[in-house]
Amino acid sequence: QSALTQPPSVSGSPGQSVTISCTGTSSDVGGYDRVSWYQQQQPPGTAPKVIIYAVSNRPSGVPDRFSGSKSGNTASLTISRLQTEDEAFYYCSSYTNIYTLVFGGGTYLTVL
Amino acid sequence: QVQLQESAPGLVKPSETLSLMCNVSGGSFTTYYWSWIRQPPGKGLEYIGSIHSSGSTNYNPSLKSRVTISIDTSNNQFSLRLTSMTAADTAVYYCARIHPYYYGVDVWGQGTTVTVSS
Repeated sequence: QSALTQPPSVSGSPGQSVTISCTGTSSDVGGYDRVSWYQQQQPPGTAPKVIIYAVSNRPSGVPDRFSGSKSGNTASLTISRLQTEDEAFYYCSSYTNIYTLVFGGGTYLTVL
Repeated sequence: QVQLQESAPGLVKPSETLSLMCNVSGGSFTTYYWSWIRQPPGKGLEYIGSIHSSGSTNYNPSLKSRVTISIDTSNNQFSLRLTSMTAADTAVYYCARIHPYYYGVDVWGQGTTVTVSS
């Protein structure tokens, strides 16, 4: 299984919005509404935290500034009203047609 | 609330076998998928494999020949064995719970660092 494709980095200013894409195939992202997004704060080795599940659902406690969507083989995470504490790595994951989980390569968000 | 805690082997020699255990506390052990995920230094997350509470397993095809995940439902534990370790297997290893409905990780262990070195 190949990793899902994410941009290595994105940036934005406080108050702005950014969108991170996650591109797969019809065997994973495009075939199932089972895409999740995770935030991993520094330092490296800190356990990730789920911020979006099932494409567009937010767990309790996650601000509504975080939203998810999907079109075809590409899922997207949008972060609105950027805050400095949003600076982190973001990873997507998807269920696959061979009953496994596949992750994206990760995107680092810089809040300028 | 459910908590996951990995054992901590730390250092493994090349060609040896890694054995890790994850203790699950504070929640139901049934229904869910229990998984191992790793993160090499400076790199992204990699799914290793998972086991359902019923005992069925699924593995990353790239690691399948070297991986065994087992479960002990009576003690709320599951384990990872990864054979023929090399330096490329140096990583933080996380145990994690995968939700059966949307197949995403909803609970992570804190992670344990495994270094492969002689």
